[in-house]
Amino acid sequence: DIQVTQSPSTLSASIGDRVTITCRASQSISSWLAWYQEKPGKAPILLIYKTSNLEGAVPSRFSGNGSETEFTLTINRLQPDDFATYYCLQYKTFPLTFGGGTKVEIK
Amino acid sequence: EVQLVESGGGLVQPGGSLRLSCVASGFNFKIYWMHWVRQVPGKGLVWVSRVNTDGSSVNYADSVKGRFTISRDNAKNTVYLQMNSLRDDDTAVYYCARSGKGCPDFWGQGTPITVSS
Repeated sequence: DIQVTQSPSTLSASIGDRVTITCRASQSISSWLAWYQEKPGKAPILLIYKTSNLEGAVPSRFSGNGSETEFTLTINRLQPDDFATYYCLQYKTFPLTFGGGTKVEIK
Repeated sequence: EVQLVESGGGLVQPGGSLRLSCVASGFNFKIYWMHWVRQVPGKGLVWVSRVNTDGSSVNYADSVKGRFTISRDNAKNTVYLQMNSLRDDDTAVYYCARSGKGCPDFWGQGTPITVSS
C-alpha cells in the first residue's frame, strides 16, 4: 500500500498569511493526488485534483503543486473561511490512502 | 443539484451486521464509480471501498476485506455497503462519495455507525 505522510498536523496562521501544506507519498504516484477541505459537521469538499487542477468554484488563492512523491497545497492570503482541516489523497492505486490531515487554526 | 444521501447507520453490537444505503440524485449515477469513506470522530479520513459503474469490479481496504461488501443498483440510483462481523473499530461516520475526475469529488453528509455492546 502507498503511505501518505502529511505535514504539519497543525498550523497556526493569521488572516492574509500564505500557508503551505505538504504531502509525501511512499512511492511515486505521478500526479494522482487530490486535496480536500473539511469543516466540523460537514462533508469534505474537493479543492484540487490531479495535483494542480482547481475544482469548480474553488477560489484561485488555493493552488497545488508537485509530482511523483512530494506535493504541496498553498493557500495565499488566508481568509476566515479557510480555517479548516485539509487532507490529501493519493488515487494512483487501490487502496486509496489519505494523509493524516492538517488543521489550519487562527493564530 | 448533486445530492448523495446516506442512511442505515445506527447502533449495533459487535459481531452484528448493518447495510448502508446511499441514494444519488442530480447526476447520471450509472456512469460514475462510487466510494465509501469513513471517519472516526476527531480522526482522519479512511477510504473503505469502491465500485465501478456496473458493479463488476470492486476494491476494499484491508481492514474490511472479507467483512464488507459494496454493491449498487443503477435502476435505483443507490450504492450499498453491507457490513458484517462488525467490530468496535468500525465505529465511524460513513460517507459515500461520487468518483469524478478519478477521485471522490462529491460527498454525502455521512451516516454514523456505533459498534458497541
